Parts: sequence; structure tokens; C-alpha cells
Amino acid sequence: GNSVTQMEGPVTLSEEAFLTINCTYTATGYPSLFWYVQYPGEGLQLLLKATKADDKGSNKGFEATYRKETTSFHLEKGSVQVSDSAVYFCAGTLLGSNYKLTFGKGTLLTVNP
Amino acid sequence: ETGVTQTPRHLVMGMTNKKSLKCEQHLGHNAMYWYKQSAKKPLELMFVYSLEERVENNSVPSRFSPECPNSSHLFLHLHTLQPEDSALYLCASSQDSSGRSYNEQFFGPGTRLTVL
Repeated sequence: GNSVTQMEGPVTLSEEAFLTINCTYTATGYPSLFWYVQYPGEGLQLLLKATKADDKGSNKGFEATYRKETTSFHLEKGSVQVSDSAVYFCAGTLLGSNYKLTFGKGTLLTVNP
Repeated sequence: ETGVTQTPRHLVMGMTNKKSLKCEQHLGHNAMYWYKQSAKKPLELMFVYSLEERVENNSVPSRFSPECPNSSHLFLHLHTLQPEDSALYLCASSQDSSGRSYNEQFFGPGTRLTVL
């Protein structure tokens, strides 16, 4: 069935390290894809998005490229900061609806000074 | 107030209590959502309202009852809950425009519910 699978956490990195959080999806059609971030004690915030193949979403130094051939939308950042510590969720409109988002389980990232 | 607000932020209730969660969006959106976030599980969509009409009910138990009196407010009425209903309940809103290829959702901070 339609699903989003993302890298199991937790992920622990040192400040200025390179970050990759893998995300793949299973869907019929061509979904829109999103990364959301949840800081401690807060709701989810949209981090970046891509609506068609080969689109690259970017925000706050984070990037993700919509790869149709590998059905992936991996999140990357070249140099993480302590303030990036949060839970990251990959999501997509997998069900052919523009309002139904299917979320991955989330990946907890901890960045140490 | 800006964005999406939720009250209360924390709620502890017994299994026989009746309580309500409130969500308000200040973004001029016309669609609102309730999600349940449990530990180690993906976010679960519970209810969707578009233009104040319920368009989705993902087989949620009847002990959860939503209400959307207008496009800015959404409630979740709770009664006779079970301990397994303890979770973070998130509200979101978006602008539902037919023909758009995506629909960015804005989330509130959530209500942390504990059922004893």
C-alpha cells in the first residue's frame, strides 16, 4: 500500500557534521513531498517541499530532491547546528488527495556541541 | 494571536470524564484537521473539515467527536476515553483549493492528553 518509510533514529551528530535522513515512498501517481520538523514541545513546522520530479526543496540550509526513479526524498544539511536538534518527519500526498498527508514515523536528531 | 493555537496544552482526565480540546486558526484557511501523535507511531489523521463540512473520518472511535462551528474553530469532544488514547493531539489548517497539486498544512503546538 501507500506508505512513507524514513530512517529509524535516533541520529546523534556533532556540530558542523553532515546530515542525511533517508526517506522513500510507495505511491501510485506523483505525490507532493514534504519534510516537517518538530522542535521539543511544539507542533510540526513545514521545513521544505517539492511538488514534482527533480524539484529541489530548500530552507534553512536543508535540502531534499524529489527523485522519481528511486522514489526518494532524502533530507540533507551540510553543517548541522545544536539548534537543529528536533524530530524530522517525511510526508507525502500519497493517496491522490491534496489534503491527505501520509507521514513517516519521524527521526529524532540530536546535535551535540 | 498568530498561526494555529490549541488549548489546553496539557490535559489529564479520568476515563469517565468529558472534556473538549479547542483549536483556532488565524490564517484565513478553510480546512482544518485533527491528528493523533502517539509514541513511535506515524501521525494518524483523525478528522478533516473543509469549508466546515466533514470530509474525512478515518474510522475513529465514537468516543472522539469533532465539531467545526466555523472555518476558524475546531473542537474535539472527548468522553469515556481509554488509557491508550493518551497521546499528543495536533490540530492543523490549510487552504483547500481544488486544482492545486499540494496543500501545505500549518500545525498548532498540540494538546498533551493523559487518560488515567
